[in-house]
Amino acid sequence: GNSVTQMEGPVTLSEEAFLTINCTYTATGYPSLFWYVQYPGEGLQLLLKATKADDKGSNKGFEATYRKETTSFHLEKGSVQVSDSAVYFCAPLLTGGGNKLTFGTGTQLKVEL
Amino acid sequence: IAGITQAPTSQILAAGRRMTLRCTQDMRHNAMYWYRQDLGLGLRLIHYSNTAGTTGKGEVPDGYSVSRANTDDFPLTLASAVPSQTSVYFCASSEGVAATDTQYFGPGTRLTVL
Repeated sequence: GNSVTQMEGPVTLSEEAFLTINCTYTATGYPSLFWYVQYPGEGLQLLLKATKADDKGSNKGFEATYRKETTSFHLEKGSVQVSDSAVYFCAPLLTGGGNKLTFGTGTQLKVEL
Repeated sequence: IAGITQAPTSQILAAGRRMTLRCTQDMRHNAMYWYRQDLGLGLRLIHYSNTAGTTGKGEVPDGYSVSRANTDDFPLTLASAVPSQTSVYFCASSEGVAATDTQYFGPGTRLTVL
């Protein structure tokens, strides 16, 4: 089955710093890949996604590229803001018999002034 | 547009009691899901439903049951709650079950079983 490894947090950055959150996965076939974000006290929101190799998902200044050769989907942002403080989840999607996301443990990001 | 609503927001429950968590979506999505979120474990799928009238087991189904009588509602029932079911429960839905279909999440229910 699918599994996901995310870099452990918490990650603490200063505002305007560069962000990378690593994500690698193991999966049968070529899953779609998602990043979700969870702000404090809220549910998960889709941040971005990529559905095939070399696709780049982007949203709100965040980007991630589907790297089939390294089975990775690292999340990056050039300049983080305090409002980006949240928990970020990488999740490949397994299809067939259902639409099943496999979540990593999440990476907590804290951005300070 | 409300999206997905869950009720209750939070609940404290005595062990052995029966509890139903409610989930309603107004997007006319075919597929719905229940996850639990535990610290250090991420989210794990409990049950899912690809379309009204069908359900399936996820990664951690024991102790939980679901039904899908119509498109909009997907209740999760704990027949006899145990402390290990203390968790935050999220309901989600997607338009279908294609690889490109995004899952949308509700705000969650925080359940404590004593």
